[in-house]
Amino acid sequence: EADIYQTPRYLVIGTGKKITLECSQTMGHDKMYWYQQDPGMELHLIHYSYGVNSTEKGDLSSESTVSRIRTEHFPLTLESARPSHTSQYLCASSGTGVRADTQYFGPGTRLTVL
Amino acid sequence: KNQVEQSPQSLIILEGKNCTLQCNYTVSPFSNLRWYKQDTGRGPVSLTIMTFSENTKSNGRYTATLDADTKQSSLHITASQLSDSASYICVVSDRGSTLGRLYFGRGTQLTVWP
Repeated sequence: EADIYQTPRYLVIGTGKKITLECSQTMGHDKMYWYQQDPGMELHLIHYSYGVNSTEKGDLSSESTVSRIRTEHFPLTLESARPSHTSQYLCASSGTGVRADTQYFGPGTRLTVL
Repeated sequence: KNQVEQSPQSLIILEGKNCTLQCNYTVSPFSNLRWYKQDTGRGPVSLTIMTFSENTKSNGRYTATLDADTKQSSLHITASQLSDSASYICVVSDRGSTLGRLYFGRGTQLTVWP
């Protein structure tokens, strides 16, 4: 079982609200990722980080932003949520060494914007 | 274009039966291929990983095969159990970037009936 946590697990909010999805890992991994996944569809990378103070946008354009002030923490923020942001958001992390690109996933946050 | 295609999209089998899931990819250059299991409402969990030189890898009742020449992989599940009901995702990694870019299939939704 991977030591990567996401909160909240489920969130239902109204349009225009600011939200922050939390992601923490206790494995000391340098790389962290945020994916967006709609039902029956593949995961799409929206943000990633190589380490503290490093953040990059992924393949799928997203209005969300991320920060990486501490190695273990990689929160995702939506300044003004819209119904189009309704989706499942998965956080992942990976370390170094032989299996450097093995990503360990958190349980996900299912976001519904009304 | 780098892609990962999985078939079938969904599959229903009876408990105790075997099944085989397919994955075709066009990712190049190829680094490795993983099969992940994703339970409903959870993050994906890695089942197997295979590099270019490996053509089979087992993890309990799960056996993955890889044909790097034809760019095909399969996941065989033996003596299925109700707990095998999940989405099985094929993920291919390239070695064209420091990030170790991952390409995700849409998954095969497996349902095991008693």
